Parts: sequence; structure tokens; C-alpha cells
Amino acid sequence: GAVVSQHPSRVICKSGTSVKIECRSLDFQATTMFWYRQFPKKSLMLMATSNEGSKATYEQGVEKDKFLINHASLTLSTLTVTSAHPEDSSFYICSALTGELPEAFFGQGTRLTVV
Amino acid sequence: GENVEQHPSTLSVQEGDSAVIKCTYSDSASNYFPWYKQELGKGPQLIIDIRSNVGEKKDQRIAVTLNKTAKHFSLHITETQPEDSAVYFCAASPGGYQKVTFGTGTKLQVIP
Repeated sequence: GAVVSQHPSRVICKSGTSVKIECRSLDFQATTMFWYRQFPKKSLMLMATSNEGSKATYEQGVEKDKFLINHASLTLSTLTVTSAHPEDSSFYICSALTGELPEAFFGQGTRLTVV
Repeated sequence: GENVEQHPSTLSVQEGDSAVIKCTYSDSASNYFPWYKQELGKGPQLIIDIRSNVGEKKDQRIAVTLNKTAKHFSLHITETQPEDSAVYFCAASPGGYQKVTFGTGTKLQVIP
């Protein structure tokens, strides 16, 4: 299957700082990527849809100025959590659509801890 | 929007027994139904999917059934093994580049 790589897998940052998470499609081009947030023992909540070369589409209730998404190439999308606070601590996961729709493949996730 | 319900939330079976997880969806426009397996601390892994033009699909010990009229679909795992223990998510999507809506997850425990 297609491979999606997410980096870093774990990050600890101080309150008030910004953290960037990368999502790469390694063996295919992804015009569309999705960013999810997952709380412990909960389902995946879609945060935004990232489209290459255009602005991301955010789900209702997600602050676009806090969660900056950049999809600058067909193989890379980034999520930047700005001015992070402890309540932003969570498991963030990206997924990418392959050329053979509609299958989506997921990255391994990033555990963010804000202290 | 789409709403996907999943049952049960937890499921314990003896090794070798079968496990069944059921989901219902609300949006009749949904035509793609993937199932994901998520192990602790990892991202979801696609294990099987089904499109609306078929009623059943099987891949070795895993099978999925779909009833579009009733808007429900199920995952069946036969001859369960301890390594099947994980959280399983069903999902539904209208297809294309549209988003996937996830169910609430089922924690499956296979007891050796």
C-alpha cells in the first residue's frame, strides 16, 4: 500500500511556542491531505482538508489561525500549532488520498505534549 | 452531515472465535466504507473497504458486508488471533476527494 510518513512521532514543547508537524506521501502524489486530532480512547476528529496550492478548508470550531496548514507540494503538508497551550496536547494524524480514489492512507501520528 | 455509529465499543473474544463489529450511517450519498485498525500510539491502517456497488467483500480472515437499504455495514473477523487485538474504526465517505467520517471505534481484545 501507499506510504505516508509523519514527523515527528513525538514532541514536547513549552506553552507559548509553536510546533510544526510534517506529513509526507513517500511513493505517490497527494493533491489532498487531511489532518485529524484524536483524544485518548476517542475517535478521529477531522480538523481540516489540505489541498495542494490552495488554502486549507477547516472544520467548524477549528481555529485556522491557531492550526496553520500549508500544502506547498504534492508530497508534503504541514500543520503548525501556534502559541501552543496544554489543552492542545493530543495525537495528531494526517492522511493522504492516493491517485486511486477514494482510499486514504494514514501517517503514524504525532503525540504532542505541551508543558 | 454524515453520522456514523459503531457498536460495540468494546469486544472480548477467545482466540479462534469470530468477532463482529457493526456500523450504521446516515447519509445516503455515502458510497465508500473503509475499515481501519489502530494499534496503540500508531495511525490507523486500512484493512478492508467496500464500495456501494457490492454487498460483500472478503480478504482471508476478514470480511465486510454492506446493506445500503438499511444503511449499515459490518466487519467480520474469523479465527481471531491475539495480534488482532486493537481498536477498529468504521468510516463512510461520499468518495472522490471528500472527507471520511469515522465511527466511534471498537476496542477488540482477543484472549489467548
